Amino acid sequence: GAGVSQSPSNKVTEKGKDVELRCDPISGHTALYWYRQSLGQGLEFLIYFQGNSAPDKSGLPSDRFSAERTGGSVSTLTIQRTQQEDSAVYLCASSSPFGGLAGLGNEQFFGPGTRLTVL
Amino acid sequence: AQSVTQLDSQVPVFEEAPVELRCNYSSSVSVYLFWYVQYPNQGLQLLLKYLSGSTLVKGINGFEAEFNKSQTSFHLRKPSVHISDTAEYFCAVSSSNDYKLSFGAGTTVTVRA
Repeated sequence: GAGVSQSPSNKVTEKGKDVELRCDPISGHTALYWYRQSLGQGLEFLIYFQGNSAPDKSGLPSDRFSAERTGGSVSTLTIQRTQQEDSAVYLCASSSPFGGLAGLGNEQFFGPGTRLTVL
Repeated sequence: AQSVTQLDSQVPVFEEAPVELRCNYSSSVSVYLFWYVQYPNQGLQLLLKYLSGSTLVKGINGFEAEFNKSQTSFHLRKPSVHISDTAEYFCAVSSSNDYKLSFGAGTTVTVRA
């Protein structure tokens, strides 16, 4: 079946503009994650959604970052008033709820990422 | 909170030689451990994981890793590498009651003929 897809693959924006990044998880996966991969910081957790539970936003670096997940499927990560330090590859992943304890420890399937460049 | 340290940022190795990538973690609770690989210009792919049971875990592409609780380590090994193993390798940890992953800084493996 189809894997995790992300759009756009590349986004170039000017400092101060808002951007929206989209993630389509694997069908049936109730958990969805956003990570950021940058040269200076490596791979960082941003936020995750698990079913109907409140999202874990503990990794969001500032209140300029927000995410939503509509209908338990597609997710959008929004960055307001972008800064140059936001330049990174934004990765989305999803995992199945089956197996283990509520899917804990399940493989996270990653999308190809969105490369964001803030000029 | 958990943290992961990958002790080698770059590992050059000749084709058909063995390779070991070192990973240490710290956590105050029990953990799950993972190794992911990122091939050039591709997304992350799971190589193997440790949840419980046997401390020697076998994964895809001939890789294996050993969980050592006393040394808080989860080193990745392959007895004979191929050119196609050139990639970046990430060790990751989650607590056993949480979903999010904490990643190490990554180890770049370059396999030369």
